[in-house]
Amino acid sequence: DGGITQSPKYLFRKEGQNVTLSCEQNLNHDAMYWYRQDPGQGLRLIYYSQIVNDFQKGDIAEGYSVSREKKESFPLTVTSAQKNPTAFYLCASRETSGIVYNEQFFGPGTRLTVL
Amino acid sequence: QQPVQSPQAVILREGEDAVINCSSSKALYSVHWYRQKHGEAPVFLMILLKGGEQKGHEKISASFNEKKQQSSLYLTASQLSYSGTYFCGTDHTSGTYKYIFGTGTRLKVLA
Repeated sequence: DGGITQSPKYLFRKEGQNVTLSCEQNLNHDAMYWYRQDPGQGLRLIYYSQIVNDFQKGDIAEGYSVSREKKESFPLTVTSAQKNPTAFYLCASRETSGIVYNEQFFGPGTRLTVL
Repeated sequence: QQPVQSPQAVILREGEDAVINCSSSKALYSVHWYRQKHGEAPVFLMILLKGGEQKGHEKISASFNEKKQQSSLYLTASQLSYSGTYFCGTDHTSGTYKYIFGTGTRLKVLA
């Protein structure tokens, strides 16, 4: 079955540590996205990537970094520069095929807690 | 800019109807609607592309106004399973693939 996997489901981090959240998709989608969701809040865009080896900052990129070395993978690193990283992180992908209208498919999310 | 949704929250009894609005200060190229259950990922409901478009079925439908600056989601004869947070989503600018979501509407259906 095609889909998006995120790991781990729960992640605990000490202050000052960098952590990397995994996102893998086998839907053959070109575009991939990372969103952050705080309790009771909406989804805010961190980074997005249209194709391999290319990515763009979203609205809240400070303190985060990404890479896109393979079409299937779009890992997100939460660095120590992110002052309040405790949140629910969602990875998504979408089919583009030259048409910028397709919906997003989401992974199950990673809940990050800073201790 | 992030689309603004209204109301922020709504509580219904089973069988009641609800309307959720998604408004933008500029024309949207398309609008997608999603529902998110607590602790889960959003699930796609439907897409609207054209100004004046209406689609969906008897229970859940949506419209897109002529200027493409407002979309509304209609939930008819609500069921307990409709509870969750509803988001509209849209491409920020044509051709960039930057995709953003509205502010969200929390809906709770009571028995």
